[in-house]
Amino acid sequence: GESVGLHLPTLSVQEGDNSIINCAYSNSASDYFIWYKQESGKGPQFIIDIRSNMDKRQGQRVTVLLNKTVKHLSLQIAATQPGDSAVYFCAESTGYSGAGSYQLTFGKGTKLSVIP
Amino acid sequence: EAQVTQNPRYLITVTGKKLTVTCSQNMNHEYMSWYRQDPGLGLRQIYYSMNVEVTDKGDVPEGYKVSRKEKRNFPLILESPSPNQTSLYFCASSIGIGAYEQYFGPGTRLTVT
Repeated sequence: GESVGLHLPTLSVQEGDNSIINCAYSNSASDYFIWYKQESGKGPQFIIDIRSNMDKRQGQRVTVLLNKTVKHLSLQIAATQPGDSAVYFCAESTGYSGAGSYQLTFGKGTKLSVIP
Repeated sequence: EAQVTQNPRYLITVTGKKLTVTCSQNMNHEYMSWYRQDPGLGLRQIYYSMNVEVTDKGDVPEGYKVSRKEKRNFPLILESPSPNQTSLYFCASSIGIGAYEQYFGPGTRLTVT
């Protein structure tokens, strides 16, 4: 996983601050979105998901916002910690309704670096 | 412990020598999938399976084969590996198709010389 972070947009955040990671998706028919976190040397790990009939969903320290009008997704991490340092991917699917594709299409990712 | 396992974790091989990367999950998941991850390209789906004996192509299936004879196993087969298949490979599974989170394995780093 060491090479995953190369050539990626990077967001540097001070420990304790809030982080906002953005994702623009391409398919207006997408109805399901997921955020994944990938730490160095590991596989992606599910963080939070949101259906297209929602515009906001909250988890533990994380919030996902969905703006279908401009096809934009964001992940907000509150009180960012050093353990949050990772590459974050958004993914979209048209499968929620059952009428579309079951495939997840992943974004290129954003590297989050937390400064202690 | 619920998990997706892959073997081997690291593999260096030569062009044309057939290889298999195994994937196994212990969660009784119906849906399994293979991805490759390359710098600047993100995760791209190779093949997926919605259940036993049901497989379908993803975005980049050329040069790969899969099989799903048992629910828990989903091996990825490279009949004649080439250097452009050098990549980091991930297997994933989920309880069903569509809107379900996928659980990823730890990855297999393959180098083809």
